[in-house]
Amino acid sequence: RKEVEQDPGPFNVPEGATVAFNCTYSNSASQSFFWYRQDCRKEPKLLMSVYSSGNEDGRFTAQLNRASQYISLLIRDSKLSDSATYLCVVNENYGQNFVFGPGTRLSVLP
Amino acid sequence: DAGVIQSPRHEVTEMGQEVTLRCKPISGHDYLFWYRQTMMRGLELLIYFNNNVPIDDSGMPEDRFSAKMPNASFSTLKIQPSEPRDSAVYFCASSLVSVDEQYFGPGTRLTVT
Repeated sequence: RKEVEQDPGPFNVPEGATVAFNCTYSNSASQSFFWYRQDCRKEPKLLMSVYSSGNEDGRFTAQLNRASQYISLLIRDSKLSDSATYLCVVNENYGQNFVFGPGTRLSVLP
Repeated sequence: DAGVIQSPRHEVTEMGQEVTLRCKPISGHDYLFWYRQTMMRGLELLIYFNNNVPIDDSGMPEDRFSAKMPNASFSTLKIQPSEPRDSAVYFCASSLVSVDEQYFGPGTRLTVT
């Protein structure tokens, strides 16, 4: 079983749609969680950290469920510029292991 | 700050040659990470340093790979001898603390023929 798994995608959605990505992790000792965004042929960049209470940044909402070892990312009113690969990242063992998921590709269509 | 700097941006070499990738982290960041990204395996952590000391190199694929960090502002990843299966994008990243956001460099796209 992989340490971090994500929806395989790709997701093709029209502009203005709401889309949700799921991520599960296997190590219950994981301490911190992030969503990164990677544009084609570019480096990954932090989209948002994921807090236990859930957090929102504009059109983006991240949720964490420690009991189910599950992380989600919701994008509302999607824009063409949201097209990218979204990487779920789990930091295990107090920073000793930073594990990236395989990513979910999103294409927002006009 | 200029961000994480990597060089070269592209490298094409023949099998058996030595390849050296370079990274300059963001000033003041204590952690430096080397990753490899391929379509098949995604983004894999190869090794990371804390205050110039290698902490975990369990991701280094084999003895052909080595990494050094002689000072806080410079690190190298060396492959000797290179093989076609080493073709990938190699990213360097740095962070202030280990559980914090990582800032990635633009990557080095390596092609071994």
